[in-house]
Amino acid sequence: EIVLTQSPATLSLSPGESATLSCRAGQSVGTSLAWYQQRPGRAPRLLIYDASNRATGIPARFSGSGSGADFTLTISSLEPEDFGLYYCQHCSTWPPNFGPGTTVEI
Amino acid sequence: QLQLEESGPRLVKPSETLSLICDVSGGSISSSAYFWGWIRQPPGKGLEWMGSFSHRGGTFFSPSLKSRLTISSDMSKNQFYLDLNSVSAADSAMYYCARGRPVVPFFDHWGQGTLVTVSS
Repeated sequence: EIVLTQSPATLSLSPGESATLSCRAGQSVGTSLAWYQQRPGRAPRLLIYDASNRATGIPARFSGSGSGADFTLTISSLEPEDFGLYYCQHCSTWPPNFGPGTTVEI
Repeated sequence: QLQLEESGPRLVKPSETLSLICDVSGGSISSSAYFWGWIRQPPGKGLEWMGSFSHRGGTFFSPSLKSRLTISSDMSKNQFYLDLNSVSAADSAMYYCARGRPVVPFFDHWGQGTLVTVSS
């Protein structure tokens, strides 16, 4: 099975700054990668699928890039509601594992 | 609008079976266009995919849970189910049901989750 790692574990930023989150797969997953946001006490929300496609209703400040084994989620100009946990998940083969997460904190 | 809602006991005794229901509205689980699945999250920890099924795409399980996990469905009720047997404290978690888009799913709609504690 494919293992995902995320870095950094925690990102401390201020509103208005940009965030760059990394997800690395143990082997190539092509562009079969999704990103989720999880706010405290809430269910995860799909942000990005197929590495770079924004899900319905997701603001343009969220963007995804990468292919193969290295992926990036960029949040330009952080809003207060953007602080929380972010997970990547590959959808290349079964099982579709999640990464351990990155916390974006104020 | 698609909605998913988990329900079931909040407290399960060790060695017993954890059983949950996911009730789906605004979409049909019989559609072969989607997968339906369960994901869990122990308190303070990350997300763990447990298993998923599709009407024509088969059922898939996490290798670590395969021996204890059953996922079934009732299309007449538009519900699907999770049964996890021989539970221990390590199975205490928030359990989410979700809709996945194929082929190997990412999950675009989630229930709000239900917290299950395993304790005597």
